[in-house]
Amino acid sequence: EAGVVQSPRYKIIEKKQPVAFWCNPISGHNTLYWYRQNLGQGPELLIRYENEEAVDDSQLPKDRFSAERLKGVDSTLKIQPAELGDSAVYLCASSPRSRNGANVLTFGAGSRLTVL
Amino acid sequence: SQQGEEDPQALSIQEGENATMNCSYKTSINNLQWYRQNSGRGLVHLILIRSNEREKHSGRLRVTLDTSKKSSSLLITASRAADTASYFCATARAGGTSYGKLTFGQGTILTVHP
Repeated sequence: EAGVVQSPRYKIIEKKQPVAFWCNPISGHNTLYWYRQNLGQGPELLIRYENEEAVDDSQLPKDRFSAERLKGVDSTLKIQPAELGDSAVYLCASSPRSRNGANVLTFGAGSRLTVL
Repeated sequence: SQQGEEDPQALSIQEGENATMNCSYKTSINNLQWYRQNSGRGLVHLILIRSNEREKHSGRLRVTLDTSKKSSSLLITASRAADTASYFCATARAGGTSYGKLTFGQGTILTVHP
């Protein structure tokens, strides 16, 4: 099993440029998450999908961030335009259908974004 | 927003010693989980403890949960250099629209010296 696959692993862009991250979750996992992790901090949830439906996007900065999960499988996270403060690691995770709220997440290796 | 707070922020021990990390949280939970993150990598799930459980073991890991104090601890016994990593607690809220939502703490950086 390949695990959660993310690309690119590293991205360096200038501010105001767009950037996109891609995630392929574990086969059969209904729930997909995008987290942002700043240096020295824990991950913070940006958006959570159940199949293709975004069920929690309350912490997604919707003025510049967008996400989609086509056909309930792969997902992309886009930032346009990027700001200096967006420099962080963007983590994708997936989990099987929840049993009594006990979602155990499998994370990808992350995409490290540096905005200059 | 961060739900859990880990203590200490950093811990440095010798190989063979035990390491204890603590986590406090604020709201009612369904379960609490611990994850490990090696430098430059994604997080790896270690153990899950439900709100109606008080203690759980997995290999060299022992987790306790005190819901009255809203706190948990992770004990790693007989530590190894390979245990060097950041450790995060994560809480899954009980009920409401955030049911099952996993919120992470700030993490404890553990360094185990050979």
